[in-house]
Amino acid sequence: GAVVSQHPSWVICKSGTSVKIECRSLDFQATTMFWYRQFPKQSLMLMATSNEGSKATYEQGVEKDKFLINHASLTLSTLTVTSAHPEDSSFYICSADRGNYGYTFGSGTRLTVV
Amino acid sequence: SQQGEEDPQALSIQEGENATMNCSYKTSINNLQWYRQNSGRGLVHLILIRSNEREKHSGRLRVTLDTSKKSSSLLITASRAADTASYFCAGNTGKLIFGQGTTLQVKP
Repeated sequence: GAVVSQHPSWVICKSGTSVKIECRSLDFQATTMFWYRQFPKQSLMLMATSNEGSKATYEQGVEKDKFLINHASLTLSTLTVTSAHPEDSSFYICSADRGNYGYTFGSGTRLTVV
Repeated sequence: SQQGEEDPQALSIQEGENATMNCSYKTSINNLQWYRQNSGRGLVHLILIRSNEREKHSGRLRVTLDTSKKSSSLLITASRAADTASYFCAGNTGKLIFGQGTTLQVKP
């Protein structure tokens, strides 16, 4: 079946540093990918829609300069949390749009900023 | 931007009982999907119901959709301890917008 590989599964970084999270579709091409954030005991909040070859579309309230999204190929989208702070600590999940086949989610990345 | 509300927020039942979770959404959708999430892990797709469908079954799962009320329900029959997880509905508008979720605990 279709697999979306997300790396790293967890990361701890120092406040002020940047962290890159990768989301890769392994056996299909994904023109569109989505990035979500989930705080403890809460639901998934859509952050942005990542489109291959064009700029990402951010949801209201999400800082595009802080959460940089790059979708340079049909199989890879990256989310970079720039100048991370403790309040950015969260669970980040990507998903790939497979058209008529629905959405496939990555396994998530737990980011802890210390 | 959250679209859906779910109730109850938390549900605790005994193994063998049925569990019902409800979801409401705000905007028009192409379909509605239900997902399961074990603590701190990724999502597992459970079932999809299209906007022109009213009910769908998959194993022990039964989903209903009422587009006039913008609501859906998920019924898990004969629950098992392994069903303990969080359950989320997600309305598909071209992107998935998730509800608040219901945390289900099934006691053995």
